[in-house]
Amino acid sequence: AQRVTQPEKLLSVFKGAPVELKCNYSYSGSPELFWYVQYSRQRLQLLLRHISRESIKGFTADLNKGETSFHLKKPFAQEEDSAMYYCAGGSQGNLIFGKGTKLSVKP
Amino acid sequence: ETGVTQSPTHLIKTRGQQVTLRCSSQSGHNTVSWYQQALGQGPQFIFQYYREEENGRGNFPPRFSGLQFPNYSSELNVNALELDDSALYLCASSLKGAAGELFFGEGSRLTVL
Repeated sequence: AQRVTQPEKLLSVFKGAPVELKCNYSYSGSPELFWYVQYSRQRLQLLLRHISRESIKGFTADLNKGETSFHLKKPFAQEEDSAMYYCAGGSQGNLIFGKGTKLSVKP
Repeated sequence: ETGVTQSPTHLIKTRGQQVTLRCSSQSGHNTVSWYQQALGQGPQFIFQYYREEENGRGNFPPRFSGLQFPNYSSELNVNALELDDSALYLCASSLKGAAGELFFGEGSRLTVL
């Protein structure tokens, strides 16, 4: 079965520390993978997608097919990065989401 | 540009009743997807509509049904409500062919008593 796993429910770091939010996937074929973010009192929104290989708000994510992972990284966390982060896989709107990781960046 | 809007924002029903949730897609978007998000879980795909037809369905029973209208707005209907249907229902619009970029509404919070 296709699955997206985020092993951490909560990740707490201090401002300026590196951040890595883990995501592992189980998929047949070549998955399209995404990170979505939900800031406090805002709607769920796309942060980045693996096919773009882009950096958004300092975040990057590399698809590692050998480890079936798509971890989200940022070298220096900011307080405004505090949010709920969801890893998702799939295509064309039919996405499978992980359970999410709450990132808390402390001053 | 108008974003995705959903109504109602909150509602309470009793077991066995029926509910209709509504969604207006973002301007220019032709595809609508519905997701169920239970407390502490990620969104779970219910189904997608494109050109007024169902275009993919997740693991949900037939009592979950939907419609898409010519203006691309959409409805989610749930019959014979069960306690486990209590959740946040999210609507997301997109352009057909856009690689997974969904634009979400704020959701409709359904409580089934």
